Amino acid sequence: QSVLTQPPSASGTPGLRVTISCSGSSSNIGSNIVNWYQQFPGTAPKLLIYSNNQRPSGVPDRFSGSKSGTSASLAISGLQSEDEADYYCAAWDDSLNGLVFGGGTKLTVL
Amino acid sequence: QVQLQESGPGLVKPSQTLSLTCTVSGASISRDDYYWSWIRQHPGKGLEWIGYINYSDNTYYSPSLQSRVTISVDTSKNHFSLKLTSVTAADTAVYYCARGVGLQLLEWLFYFDYWGQGTLVTVSS
Repeated sequence: QSVLTQPPSASGTPGLRVTISCSGSSSNIGSNIVNWYQQFPGTAPKLLIYSNNQRPSGVPDRFSGSKSGTSASLAISGLQSEDEADYYCAAWDDSLNGLVFGGGTKLTVL
Repeated sequence: QVQLQESGPGLVKPSQTLSLTCTVSGASISRDDYYWSWIRQHPGKGLEWIGYINYSDNTYYSPSLQSRVTISVDTSKNHFSLKLTSVTAADTAVYYCARGVGLQLLEWLFYFDYWGQGTLVTVSS
């Protein structure tokens, strides 16, 4: 059971928009900054969004992040087949005194 | 370009100590203000943060692993290491090293910008 809650799966049609939620509490998302990682099978995770809504260099602007209260969301617009991957949210937890991840969401492009 | 590479035994016997090293290139462990971290991923599961060591040699460990984990740095070799004692089959996982960035803004910002490729460690007799 992960501290941050994500739906285990999500799907979308090419060209459309999909969102992935990440729910936490006042000790993690509610008081710290959320980051998102993308992971393809057999490879290391890659930083996708940092500081709630900032994209590292090279990440397409189709990817966006937001945070409100104790929840965060990752949105992918103009969905492409190469977006099929696992997505993880993460934030520091002040109560646990450590970094916590969401359980991950497997995105399928139909 | 910053690169990280994990190395170490792929098979460890139960009750023994798991030891891994992460060699860093393109950045200096001793000079730069980063948090050199270990993360693991059980087969088919999500990510679990293990801990980090920062440029001041301060360490911070996951509370669930704290009693068994040690992270250290060898600045002469520009690498950092993980030791996990008394391993069981539950420690079988892919272990990643990563560079952590930490900034105290109004909130604590902490993320990993560079990752190693990961190494599978199996605990079995």
